[in-house]
This record gives sequence, structure tokens and C-alpha cells, in this order.
Amino acid sequence: GAVVSQHPSRVICKSGTSVKIECRSLDFQATTMFWYRQFPKKSLMLMATSNEGSKATYEQGVEKDKFLINHASLTLSTLTVTSAHPEDSSFYICSALRGGVSYEQYFGPGTRLTVT
Amino acid sequence: AQSVTQPDIHITVSEGASLELRCNYSYGATPYLFWYVQSPGQGLQLLLKYFSGDTLVQGIKGFEAEFKRSQSSFNLRKPSVHWSDAAEYFCAVGAGAAGNKLTFGGGTRVLVKP
Repeated sequence: GAVVSQHPSRVICKSGTSVKIECRSLDFQATTMFWYRQFPKKSLMLMATSNEGSKATYEQGVEKDKFLINHASLTLSTLTVTSAHPEDSSFYICSALRGGVSYEQYFGPGTRLTVT
Repeated sequence: AQSVTQPDIHITVSEGASLELRCNYSYGATPYLFWYVQSPGQGLQLLLKYFSGDTLVQGIKGFEAEFKRSQSSFNLRKPSVHWSDAAEYFCAVGAGAAGNKLTFGGGTRVLVKP
């Protein structure tokens, strides 16, 4: 099957620092990856669409300067939360769209970010 | 803009009993519809999807869902629940190219009693 990993699975950082989350497709190439945010007991909210070799497309209300996305290769996208604040604490989930197989995203296990 | 409503936040069902999870969507065109399951420590897993054709869709783990356009619904069912089915279930509608831009419902947590 198609496997997507995220690293780290859990991170605690201090307010004002930046933290990077990696999303990797382990056994397939993904020209498109997605980043979601999931609040406690809430649904997933699409933050941005990450396209390999081009700028990410952000959803309305998502600050692109705070949530930097880089999709440097066909197997790696990174989300950097810059100048993190406690309100950025959340569960961040990525997914990867498998090339050649439409309509199916494969999700990573998520990263729990806690900002103190 | 599209939206998805899952009216039931929690459902408790006895092992071996049937399960039905409700999902209502709002979308201006023919929807791409999905059901995902989320278990702790694991990524969301696709149970089934509907794009067109037969309105009764079979998925993995014994799940099925029926698309009813007149009711804007896409309810998920399983005839006999196993303890391992305890998880969070999300319905989603896809928009954009190939329906890949997903909007999720609020989720339904399923608890299974022995």
C-alpha cells in the first residue's frame, strides 16, 4: 500500500520559536500534498495545497507567512510554523496524492504540536 | 462553498449489531464523496468513495455507503460491528480538480460495547 510518514510525531516548542514538520511519501511519488489542521474533537481543516516545484496554495484565512510550506521533491513536503504561539498548538496532518491514481489521498499519522 | 454535516458526535453500538453513520453534504455540483476512519496513532484510512455510477458503494472492512442525491446524504453502514471498528469516522466531500480538495464533516466517534 501507499505509506505516508510524518516527523516528528510530537513536538513541544517555546513561544516565538519555529518548528518544522516533515511529510514524506515512502513508496510513491506525490506531485501534490495537502496540509490539514485538526483541533481537539474537531474536524480536519484544509490549510494548504503543496505542489512540487511551485508555491503552495493557501486556504482562506490561513497565514502563508506563518505556515511556510515547501515541496522540494516528489516525496517530501515540509510545514514550518514560524514564530509559534500557544494558539498554534494543534494536530497537523498531511496527505499525499498518489500520481496516476486519481481521487485518493494517503494520510500521514499526524504531528502533535504544543507551544508553551 | 461545500459543507458536510455529521449529526451524530458519538454512537455506541454493541458488538455484532449493525451500525449506520449519517452524513449530509452541501455541494453545487455532482459531489465526490468519501468516508475515512481515523484510529489513534494512524493516518486516516479511506473506507470507500463515490464519484458516479452505482449509488451503493462497497468499501473495505465490510462497510458500504449509499448516495442519495434527493436527500443530499451519503450514510455509512456495516451489518455487524467488530470491536476493532471503534474509531472516529469522517465523511468528506471533494471539490476542485478530481475532487481532491476535501471538506470534512465533524466526525462521529464510534464506541463498541462487548
